[in-house]
Amino acid sequence: DVKVTQSSRYLVKRTGEKVFLECVQDMDHENMFWYRQDPGLGLRLIYFSYDVKMKEKGDIPEGYSVSREKKERFSLILESASTNQTSMYLCASSPPLAGVGDEQYFGPGTRLTVT
Amino acid sequence: LAKTTQPISMDSYEGQEVNITCSHNNIATNDYITWYQQFPSQGPRFIIQGYKTKVTNEVASLFIPADRKSSTLSLPRVSLSDTAVYYCLVGGGGTSYGKLTFGQGTILTVHP
Repeated sequence: DVKVTQSSRYLVKRTGEKVFLECVQDMDHENMFWYRQDPGLGLRLIYFSYDVKMKEKGDIPEGYSVSREKKERFSLILESASTNQTSMYLCASSPPLAGVGDEQYFGPGTRLTVT
Repeated sequence: LAKTTQPISMDSYEGQEVNITCSHNNIATNDYITWYQQFPSQGPRFIIQGYKTKVTNEVASLFIPADRKSSTLSLPRVSLSDTAVYYCLVGGGGTSYGKLTFGQGTILTVHP
């Protein structure tokens, strides 16, 4: 079974702190994704990566950056956390496209609260 | 990326068949249609994916008309454990590198 793990299930940080959310997958997937999920808004894509050191902005990249130094690990960075970044953060991975939309495997999520 | 529209919520009873329809008028030629299920405090889980006509697996069926502007997820004989949020997504084909856009989803509540 594919396993996607996230470093924390719950995290509380103060406004202005730099926050690192880590995601690791064990299936040698090329693609990795970071989403945030808020009530009434569904999941929104923040960034995705299709290879080591490669990244693409998603729909809401402002206030976030990412790092992919190793294939299995994709980090989301909040440079200066703000209260409007309080949310559930979900990481996902998928194999490379072969002309089809491949299944994404999600981690359990990190519920981040910024106070 | 194609935007999807689906009902915000649906109610059903145990043992009934549930059909959730999703509209995606701007679907691109290379896009696939994928449905995910999400339980509270968990990440979404893949249910089924299709390109055209009908796809069936052990948990659901997916019906896609010829114009592909909509799709219907069919859950046969639902149980209480099928209470979840169901997301319809289009994308993943061509140059979008597997990028999928999630809408608000449909909250399905199954009653005893």
